[in-house]
Amino acid sequence: GESVGLHLPTLSVQEGDNSIINCAYSNSASDYFIWYKQESGKGPQFIIDIRSNMDKRQGQRVTVLLNKTVKHLSLQIAATQPGDSAVYFCAENWSTGFQKLVFGTGTRLLVSP
Amino acid sequence: NAGVMQNPRHLVRRRGQEARLRCSPMKGHSHVYWYRQLPEEGLKFMVYLQKENIIDESGMPKERFSAEFPKEGPSILRIQQVVRGDSAAYFCASSPPGVANYGYTFGSGTRLTVV
Repeated sequence: GESVGLHLPTLSVQEGDNSIINCAYSNSASDYFIWYKQESGKGPQFIIDIRSNMDKRQGQRVTVLLNKTVKHLSLQIAATQPGDSAVYFCAENWSTGFQKLVFGTGTRLLVSP
Repeated sequence: NAGVMQNPRHLVRRRGQEARLRCSPMKGHSHVYWYRQLPEEGLKFMVYLQKENIIDESGMPKERFSAEFPKEGPSILRIQQVVRGDSAAYFCASSPPGVANYGYTFGSGTRLTVV
């Protein structure tokens, strides 16, 4: 269902490390997934997407993995930089009934120089 | 291409007043979505509109909230008789015709504070 109000989990990494952010989605019928980055005071910014007929997709420094068996998404960021510090959300295309994006709770990524 | 434009960026209202939030979608986009975000939480879907039609309002509170996307002009999210619990960031997103949720672009949001 919809995300539940919780304090955001935080992942702290050193600059140059690889980061992995995880997300459990809720609807086995969802056919499309997106990762968004949200910096303080700004709207969500598209990072990468993946359709349900794929299990991996790569972008520039980012990789998304999809495991439909356990309804799990992950975002891998290579060589993490201080500019990557933000809150990261996964979203699933809730294709049951009218389509809409349902967002996960989010993970705060803190990158130390 | 100016992107999705939301105004105002910040809005302060006293309890009982009305709040009007505006969203101009990207040029050529005909789908508009409104989301609400409380501090330290994810975005929660409110309503999905196309020109002159509400497609899905399953996330809208039953009272005091309404949305429209007229043939001409921006989409409006209206909150009547605001209460403190309405304080949040409200984001609008748009997408091109025929591709409902794909190619979503978000605006920078309106931060509503009810005092």
